[in-house]
Amino acid sequence: DAGVTQSPTHLIKTRGQQVTLRCSPKSGHDTVSWYQQALGQGPQFIFQYYEEEERQRGNFPDRFSGHQFPNYSSELNVNALLLGDSALYLCASSWGLEQFFGPGTRLTVL
Amino acid sequence: AQKVTQAQTEISVVEKEDVTLDCVYETRDTTYYLFWYKQPPSGELVFLIRRNSFDEQNEISGRYSWNFQKSTSSFNFTITASQVVDSAVYFCALLIPGNQFYFGTGTSLTVIP
Repeated sequence: DAGVTQSPTHLIKTRGQQVTLRCSPKSGHDTVSWYQQALGQGPQFIFQYYEEEERQRGNFPDRFSGHQFPNYSSELNVNALLLGDSALYLCASSWGLEQFFGPGTRLTVL
Repeated sequence: AQKVTQAQTEISVVEKEDVTLDCVYETRDTTYYLFWYKQPPSGELVFLIRRNSFDEQNEISGRYSWNFQKSTSSFNFTITASQVVDSAVYFCALLIPGNQFYFGTGTSLTVIP
């Protein structure tokens, strides 16, 4: 059984561009959460999707948006990239209190 | 407001020493869950333990043990007889049901052979 998978592994973009990150949850998990982890910091909650709808949102601007598909996979979109968006983006899938994290996507904005 | 504090930014120990990682949390909710995660250099967060607010019983799993004390709002993690493979960043996290995860800033542990 595959765990949580994320793609791509690494990504380099320039300021102002848009980026889409992808996440496939662990089998049997119906909820996907996204986190941003800046260097030397703990993960910060971006938002959570359940039944294809955004259920909760952290303190992130509208430039951050997402989507969940019927198969529970999810995308994170970031528009108008800023240098400060450079971080490790972690996806976590959950079912009840069981939450597993993916390996993350390292985004570098130049 | 919810908050998790890990005051120890970096810790270095010599292999086989015991080490305790501190975690202090803040919440006004009476029902909550506390977690510890390990993050090796690869970046993936590895689940170690979950405790609910109604269960203060300490737990031991092999070389790992956890001490939960509601009176001091602490959930400390001890590694006994540390090994080089324990080197990683460790995060303490707080979950309020129906809410989001709140992570501490992490403690970077280096075990020196």
